[in-house]
Amino acid sequence: QQQVKQSPQSLIVQKGGISIINCAYENTAFDYFPWYQQFPGKGPALLIAIRPDVSEKKEGRFTISFNKSAKQFSLHIMDSQPGDSATYFCAASRITGGGNKLTFGTGTQLKVEL
Amino acid sequence: DTGVSQDPRHKITKRGQNVTFRCDPISEHNRLYWYRQTLGQGPEFLTYFQNEAQLEKSRLLSDRFSAERPKGSFSTLEIQRTEQGDSAMYLCASSLDANQPQHFGDGTRLSIL
Repeated sequence: QQQVKQSPQSLIVQKGGISIINCAYENTAFDYFPWYQQFPGKGPALLIAIRPDVSEKKEGRFTISFNKSAKQFSLHIMDSQPGDSATYFCAASRITGGGNKLTFGTGTQLKVEL
Repeated sequence: DTGVSQDPRHKITKRGQNVTFRCDPISEHNRLYWYRQTLGQGPEFLTYFQNEAQLEKSRLLSDRFSAERPKGSFSTLEIQRTEQGDSAMYLCASSLDANQPQHFGDGTRLSIL
């Protein structure tokens, strides 16, 4: 059972454009939603994370939008740069009483073209 | 502050052999997690430790897999009698405590011949 569904599988954006990646979850007990960036041959690196008590969080060019009623959250990358080309994973976990075991989406390969 | 360190980075072995991977977490981090990532997929949870205590194991972790974290510092993941399906990237992550973000190492890539 895939508990976190991520789309699109791949994405091509022009430099300076906005990249948008979407995720949907099933388990209403999840209370922590991070996004990770992964380059080839490297481990996932934490980008930004949100708890369900807020609907939006912004850090630099990265913004998470969270819709608790729809059980959806998304990552927006503003002013996308070629250096942002990587695979992005959304994840969800249950911190309270759940051990914070991360359940990951299947990933989105982002390519930012000049 | 060094990050999570994993050794070796690559391991190639024949089917049926035993392999052991090591993870050194970030200093002072009490929580240590192991995940497995296959090509084109997101990481999947395997097991985690709070200090030296192993608190949970995924159903993905068959009897051929064992993990330890002696003295609550580094951790080892051993796979006995390796099979083709064990080929994957094995990732280790650590966090200061249960409520803090997990930071990943660069993984050990296992290839079974």
